[in-house]
Amino acid sequence: GAGVSQTPSNKVTEKGKYVELRCDPISGHTALYWYRQSLGQGPEFLIYFQGTGAADDSGLPNDRFFAVRPEGSVSTLKIQRTERGDSAVYLCASSLSSTGGVLYNEQFFGPGTRLTVL
Amino acid sequence: KNQVEQSPQSLIILEGKNCTLQCNYTVSPFSNLRWYKQDTGRGPVSLTIMTFSENTKSNGRYTATLDADTKQSSLHITASQLSDSASYICVVSPNNAGNMLTFGGGTRLMVKP
Repeated sequence: GAGVSQTPSNKVTEKGKYVELRCDPISGHTALYWYRQSLGQGPEFLIYFQGTGAADDSGLPNDRFFAVRPEGSVSTLKIQRTERGDSAVYLCASSLSSTGGVLYNEQFFGPGTRLTVL
Repeated sequence: KNQVEQSPQSLIILEGKNCTLQCNYTVSPFSNLRWYKQDTGRGPVSLTIMTFSENTKSNGRYTATLDADTKQSSLHITASQLSDSASYICVVSPNNAGNMLTFGGGTRLMVKP
């Protein structure tokens, strides 16, 4: 497809379980971003990749959260030992680049994965 | 701490009416400001992007203004339609790097017939 896709669209899990959320960026976009959005709030930055490497992971709340992008395209956000407070919508975005000017780093967002931890 | 504050938090207007949403920011330095529209259950979609040298930008019925001196922006919606019902998010960046975006909490707009 032409846009950013995320799977699953909804994920319900139990406290303590492990979950993986997947993001397929727009083809050719080298930068990929993960955000977390709580109800009624704006997105909160988690981590971003430029190519295969995590260029900035300062937004990850703790070491239960980890993300990979092994081939510079698809990315997976992994959450271990989930807690009820992890419940939120996890948004992924991609851009042509993370630098190079405003137009090059305009981010295109996916529809998000709604995670519910019971 | 860099912050982006939006007002009002929520707004209800009748179809066909105009409205203006406000955004105040403390992000410094400043590079660009974006307005996004987020429909329920969807990701944000960019409406306008303005750099510090621009003070107005239009996209159809949406017009954004920017006053970099007072650090204020507004989004004006003309002749509202039911499909304008969404959250509108103001996003400020201190540089051209995509990882430094600061998001406002959004204004939830409901347009009623």
